[in-house]
Amino acid sequence: EAQVTQNPRYLITVTGKKLTVTCSQNMNHEYMSWYRQDPGLGLRQIYYSMNVEVTDKGDVPEGYKVSRKEKRNFPLILESPSPNQTSLYFCASSIRQGTYSPLHFGNGTRLTVT
Amino acid sequence: KNEVEQSPQNLTAQEGEFITINCSYSVGISALHWLQQHPGGGIVSLFMLSSGKKKHGRLIATINIQEKHSSLHITASHPRDSAVYICAVPKTSYDKVIFGPGTSLSVIP
Repeated sequence: EAQVTQNPRYLITVTGKKLTVTCSQNMNHEYMSWYRQDPGLGLRQIYYSMNVEVTDKGDVPEGYKVSRKEKRNFPLILESPSPNQTSLYFCASSIRQGTYSPLHFGNGTRLTVT
Repeated sequence: KNEVEQSPQNLTAQEGEFITINCSYSVGISALHWLQQHPGGGIVSLFMLSSGKKKHGRLIATINIQEKHSSLHITASHPRDSAVYICAVPKTSYDKVIFGPGTSLSVIP
């Protein structure tokens, strides 16, 4: 089954403790992206990747890192999480952004930083 | 002014009603996504369109490139259509995606 898999679904952590949210797609998509969703602010793009080893900042990249060493995986890393990073996170992929292809979303990760 | 705007912000409809949600954008290339997010959080892509009209079941999406406006129509609405509907525009061919604020739809039996 074609899908985008995010893990974990829920995560509670403390300020400063490094964490990684994983994202994997099995559709051989070139484009992958991370978003956060906050009440009143909607979805905002954190980072995106157009292919292996090619990543770029979205609108809210501060406090996050990403890597794209393999086509299928695009982990989101929070080196030193802070409470303002408490949010609902989504990973998404598409064949290639420029070909007007649909976005496929993961199920989301609800992160709480205390 | 937001780059992607939606109206209405909230919508309550009786089951069976015809529903229209609008999206206007001031940036982006000539394409647009419509997304659906049910309570509980998962996001599903409904349409990706760059011209004209697309139909999937009771859902119809239209886009007017010149006016930078798109509409999502739901015919014969049903309570299971209750969700937040979000439009999104890729800013350039290989670039950022800008999301609208969403329209929260509640369909009452």
